Amino acid sequence: SQQGEEDPQALSIQEGENATMNCSYKTSINNLQWYRQNSGRGLVHLILIRSNEREKHSGRLRVTLDTSKKSSSLLITASRAADTASYFCEGDKLIFGTGTRLQVFP
Amino acid sequence: DTAVSQTPKYLVTQMGNDKSIKCEQNLGHDTMYWYKQDSKKFLKIMFSYNNKELIINETVPNRFSPKSPDKAHLNLHINSLELGDSAVYFCASSQDRLDTQYFGPGTRLTVL
Repeated sequence: SQQGEEDPQALSIQEGENATMNCSYKTSINNLQWYRQNSGRGLVHLILIRSNEREKHSGRLRVTLDTSKKSSSLLITASRAADTASYFCEGDKLIFGTGTRLQVFP
Repeated sequence: DTAVSQTPKYLVTQMGNDKSIKCEQNLGHDTMYWYKQDSKKFLKIMFSYNNKELIINETVPNRFSPKSPDKAHLNLHINSLELGDSAVYFCASSQDRLDTQYFGPGTRLTVL
């Protein structure tokens, strides 16, 4: 498996529901970052969490980091149709994987 | 006021041709990158430059040659294009190696 491997590969939910996606990595990191990619566009940075942090919030986004398990999760609360995109994590190694494709239905 | 720009946005060409993709960033960043995203959306680092010096060169065919005339530009030249080169190529930049990256809009390359 690759550094920055996202799970699930695809997720479909209704507007208003929460969406949780996970990321695993193999080697130690200083930072872990989550990015979003709308169809046909470049990646846009969402949030950075440092290795000495366990949880971070930004608006409707909540990111957790468990360095003992080498994993991170991204929670999007009260999802909107506009959240439909692919979400990638990256842990220092410039490896993004294939992302989680989130579809939010109105 | 685009932060990271790439040209062209679309490139359709025949096998065997040579083509270039240009990238410019106006963020004053020291580090620039080229990524390849395949049809399954796997995003893979190809090259990274820091202040015009190559610092990362992943396993990429030597038909791909990056050129950084100054720290605001990182161009990608591809010789003897092959069908498997068809992908979306993204340029990105960051202040330094571990910082947040800013991505360009991508160049969709189709090799016929």
